Amino acid sequence: GAVVSQHPSRVICKSGTSVKIECRSLDFQATTMFWYRQFPKKSLMLMATSNEGSKATYEQGVEKDKFLINHASLTLSTLTVTSAHPEDSSFYICSARDIRGTRSNTGELFFGEGSRLTVL
Amino acid sequence: GEDVEQSLFLSVREGDSSVINCTYTDSSSTYLYWYKQEPGAGLQLLTYIFSNMDMKQDQRLTVLLNKKDKHLSLRIADTQTGDSAIYFCAETPMDSSYKLIFGSGTRLLVRP
Repeated sequence: GAVVSQHPSRVICKSGTSVKIECRSLDFQATTMFWYRQFPKKSLMLMATSNEGSKATYEQGVEKDKFLINHASLTLSTLTVTSAHPEDSSFYICSARDIRGTRSNTGELFFGEGSRLTVL
Repeated sequence: GEDVEQSLFLSVREGDSSVINCTYTDSSSTYLYWYKQEPGAGLQLLTYIFSNMDMKQDQRLTVLLNKKDKHLSLRIADTQTGDSAIYFCAETPMDSSYKLIFGSGTRLLVRP
């Protein structure tokens, strides 16, 4: 079964509103989670690294005030798209690394199923 | 800088072998991965190879790594219609063991 869960899987919102996406590691602890954005027919772009108990590390070109990341516990990271605009419409995927090898011996990176955001 | 490139599309007949290629620029990459993404879904790790290996085989999957040419390939034997998906190669740079740099993905279409 899924080891990283994202919610919601699909969300439609009006321009100007904020949307929160949750990423949970279900049966392992993840001190670090990653948020990716996937454009249609394109690759995944790493947006930020979410660190439990501290500030997220954002990749160059990603607005930290636009994409708020909170990693309040060892199993939950949230991405909030603030004041969403149509150009924010995308597929957002999170991942978490099982660094303690609870689920695997390789420190495998497990991905969520993704959240499709549509901003009208 | 870090860059990973793949061809965008591959079409094969069911039962044939598929070979998906990937090139990368970071010679210090530690791990290289192949992920599969089915329509509307997240990514599933298929296999990975450590940078000091040349080949890894896992059932129908064979990964070949040419470090000199910075070339990675994924061979799927006896390709099935269920293998139709987008395949991403990814690398972990030496300077950040937690990051993954993805290629653009290769869309594999398996024809009956």
